[in-house]
Amino acid sequence: GAGVSQTPSNKVTEKGKYVELRCDPISGHTALYWYRQSLGQGPEFLIYFQGTGAADDSGLPNDRFFAVRPEGSVSTLKIQRTERGDSAVYLCASSRDSGVSTDTQYFGPGTRLTVL
Amino acid sequence: AQRVTQPEKLLSVFKGAPVELKCNYSYSGSPELFWYVQYSRQRLQLLLRHISRESIKGFTADLNKGETSFHLKKPFAQEEDSAMYYCALSALTDNAGNMLTFGGGTRLMVKP
Repeated sequence: GAGVSQTPSNKVTEKGKYVELRCDPISGHTALYWYRQSLGQGPEFLIYFQGTGAADDSGLPNDRFFAVRPEGSVSTLKIQRTERGDSAVYLCASSRDSGVSTDTQYFGPGTRLTVL
Repeated sequence: AQRVTQPEKLLSVFKGAPVELKCNYSYSGSPELFWYVQYSRQRLQLLLRHISRESIKGFTADLNKGETSFHLKKPFAQEEDSAMYYCALSALTDNAGNMLTFGGGTRLMVKP
């Protein structure tokens, strides 16, 4: 079946601009996660959705970052007033049900964001 | 707060040699540990998890709670094992599902 997809694969923007990154999870997966991976580092948790609600957004670095999942499927990560430090690969992952601790998270290919 | 440390950024071995990728963690509760792998130009994927106690592609990892380690081992490395390996920890909490905390990753290079 289709895996997690993310669009765009690459995004180049200028400092101060607004960007949206999209994630299509695996059909039927209720849990959705966003991670950010800076160069040379491992992925870092940003936000987690269970269904439509953001169950934990403790990883969002500041209020310029926001994410939504209005229908419990597709999610959009929104970044306002982008800064050069926001440049990274943004990863999305989905899993069946976060209530089961051993659920496998399936990752998308990521969106590489470059802020000039 | 949980933390995962992979002390080696790069590990280079010859084909057929044993491999051990180190992973140490800190977490006050009972963690779940995973190894994820990313092959060149592919997405991050689960390699194995400590609960399953299985061997995948010849790799094994044992959770040592006394030493807070979860090292990944393979007795005979193959060239196709060359990839980035990430150790990750999951701490199931009331509101965070099983968000993963990753180490910094180790690049394994297997030379012919």
